[in-house]
Amino acid sequence: QKEVEQDPGPLSVPEGAIVSLNCTYSNSAFQYFMWYRQYSRKGPELLMYTYSSGNKEDGRFTAQVDKSSKYISLFIRDSQPSDSATYLCAMTTGNQFYFGTGTSLTVIP
Amino acid sequence: DSGVTQTPKHLITATGQRVTLRCSPRSGDLSVYWYQQSLDQGLQFLIQYYNGEERAKGNILERFSAQQFPDLHSELNLSSLELGDSALYFCASSVDIYSGANVLTFGAGSRLTVL
Repeated sequence: QKEVEQDPGPLSVPEGAIVSLNCTYSNSAFQYFMWYRQYSRKGPELLMYTYSSGNKEDGRFTAQVDKSSKYISLFIRDSQPSDSATYLCAMTTGNQFYFGTGTSLTVIP
Repeated sequence: DSGVTQTPKHLITATGQRVTLRCSPRSGDLSVYWYQQSLDQGLQFLIQYYNGEERAKGNILERFSAQQFPDLHSELNLSSLELGDSALYFCASSVDIYSGANVLTFGAGSRLTVL
């Protein structure tokens, strides 16, 4: 079983839609949970991170962590064409980082 | 600008050659990680250094080696290059000693093309 599972998509939504991206994991020792956005052939950009459980909001982005279900989500409100990218979840026990394979998102104008 | 600097941005070379990729971590970050990303593939962890010492190894080939210097910059050496080594190579740094947040910040990457 992989440490982190992420649906690769692709996901295609109309502009203005709410997007939900999800990852599941198996290691209950994970402490930090991160979401990265990667445009084609560019470096992954850290969008948000949360420590332990709960929600965190930053503008149109909300990150949720449910440690009891080992499930994390990223919600994008009022999605824009500029949000079209691959979204990677990542988590760490403190030293090693584990990445999902990424979900490809396209927002159609 | 993420604060992680990678050079060169692009590199084209021939099979059998050797190249060196360079990374300067964010100010205050002590750990450097190297990742390889082939076309349409996920991030493959290669190796990690912490304050000059090797901390963890991933799927790094014996033809590849790395080191972290006293000023915390790191170099990834790739030798006897093969066509399959063509990829994006990312450096990332972590351990912000000021905030304590253990997250990875990536550089823009070095794109290696082996012909």
